Amino acid sequence: DVKVTQSSRYLVKRTGEKVFLECVQDMDHENMFWYRQDPGLGLRLIYFSYDVKMKEKGDIPEGYSVSREKKERFSLILESASTNQTSMYLCASSPAVPRKNIQYFGAGTRLSVL
Amino acid sequence: AQSVSQHNHHVILSEAASLELGCNYSYGGTVNLFWYVQYPGQHLQLLLKYFSGDPLVKGIKGFEAEFIKSKFSFNLRKPSVQWSDTAEYFCAVNGAGSSNTGKLLFGQGTTLQVKP
Repeated sequence: DVKVTQSSRYLVKRTGEKVFLECVQDMDHENMFWYRQDPGLGLRLIYFSYDVKMKEKGDIPEGYSVSREKKERFSLILESASTNQTSMYLCASSPAVPRKNIQYFGAGTRLSVL
Repeated sequence: AQSVSQHNHHVILSEAASLELGCNYSYGGTVNLFWYVQYPGQHLQLLLKYFSGDPLVKGIKGFEAEFIKSKFSFNLRKPSVQWSDTAEYFCAVNGAGSSNTGKLLFGQGTTLQVKP
């Protein structure tokens, strides 16, 4: 079974704080993704990575950065948290093989920025 | 512009009723199509997928979806819903060509509430 583990289920931070969301997968997947999930908006891609140290912006990268120093770990960083970043954050991973690159999701981190 | 549209945002059904959730997409080229489900308090998980071949695909828990290329649609169906089908359902698409990066484009989601 693929396991994608997000370090926290719930986080409460203050405006202006630097926030780290961690994600680890155990299936040696090449691709990793960060989404945010908001009611009525579905999942929106923030960043993704297709290899160690490689990253690409998704649809809503503003205010976020990422780090992938090891294949199994993909971190999302909020440099200076703002209230409009209050959301559910989902990490996913997938193999790189076309037609087999089904994404597997973590349980999510619900972040509240006060 | 690329997009995925789920027409129903909130659906309420009684047990044993039939279900059809609409999904339309706008995406250039050949596509892969997915339905994901998120049960209350659980991970988002794959319900079914279409890569190629038979446009009628079957997934877990009695769900099926039909890819109609001419209508750019991939509607999800189940003949008889159960209370345990209460969940949020997401349609998603990505490109099937050689440039496929694996990125998914998701619809807005449909919340299904099944009354016992």
